[in-house]
Amino acid sequence: DAMVIQNPRYQVTQFGKPVTLSCSQTLNHNVMYWYQQKSSQAPKLLFHYYDKDFNNEADTPDNFQSRRPNTSFCFLDIRSPGLGDAAMYLCATSIRLAPDTQYFGPGTRLTVL
Amino acid sequence: AQKVTQAQTEISVVEKEDVTLDCVYETRDTTYYLFWYKQPPSGELVFLIRRNSFDEQNEISGRYSWNFQKSTSSFNFTITASQVVDSAVYFCALTYYSGAGSYQLTFGKGTKLSVIP
Repeated sequence: DAMVIQNPRYQVTQFGKPVTLSCSQTLNHNVMYWYQQKSSQAPKLLFHYYDKDFNNEADTPDNFQSRRPNTSFCFLDIRSPGLGDAAMYLCATSIRLAPDTQYFGPGTRLTVL
Repeated sequence: AQKVTQAQTEISVVEKEDVTLDCVYETRDTTYYLFWYKQPPSGELVFLIRRNSFDEQNEISGRYSWNFQKSTSSFNFTITASQVVDSAVYFCALTYYSGAGSYQLTFGKGTKLSVIP
């Protein structure tokens, strides 16, 4: 089945220690998104890639970076995680930019100690 | 302002009861899209439905049905004969044009549905 895969499902890191979350997709979609979702809140868009074009949301902290080496993979790098970065990180894909439907992966739950 | 309001934070129903989740939206756009997603405890956001602003037909899919009313800016979701597996957080979302060729997907705060056996 075509799908969006996120690894790992659970990630524990230490305060200030860089961490990378990964997302892959077999849907061959052009757009990949990263969302941050804190407990009992709605998902918040961090950035997206349309093919190789990167679009950063205005309020996304510089601490968050992303890479998309090819169509299938996208990475979220958190350079110096703080306690406030503990959250669920959701990857999503769509064929084209919104309003196309976005399809989400299972998420990676990040804990910062 | 573009906004989605889900006034019900949490709802509990007994299995087999019907339940309606409310969604009210605000947008300046004449063309927009509305979505419902389900987020079970596992965390994955599961797409349920997409509706564009020009299509006010109600939709039914099995036990799920959606009532879109532009006059009241509402897009409500009804689950008939609820089951324990329906327990999840349900998000209503709106896509609107945010300028410079970009669209934004904005979510409501979600409604947590608990179906009690």
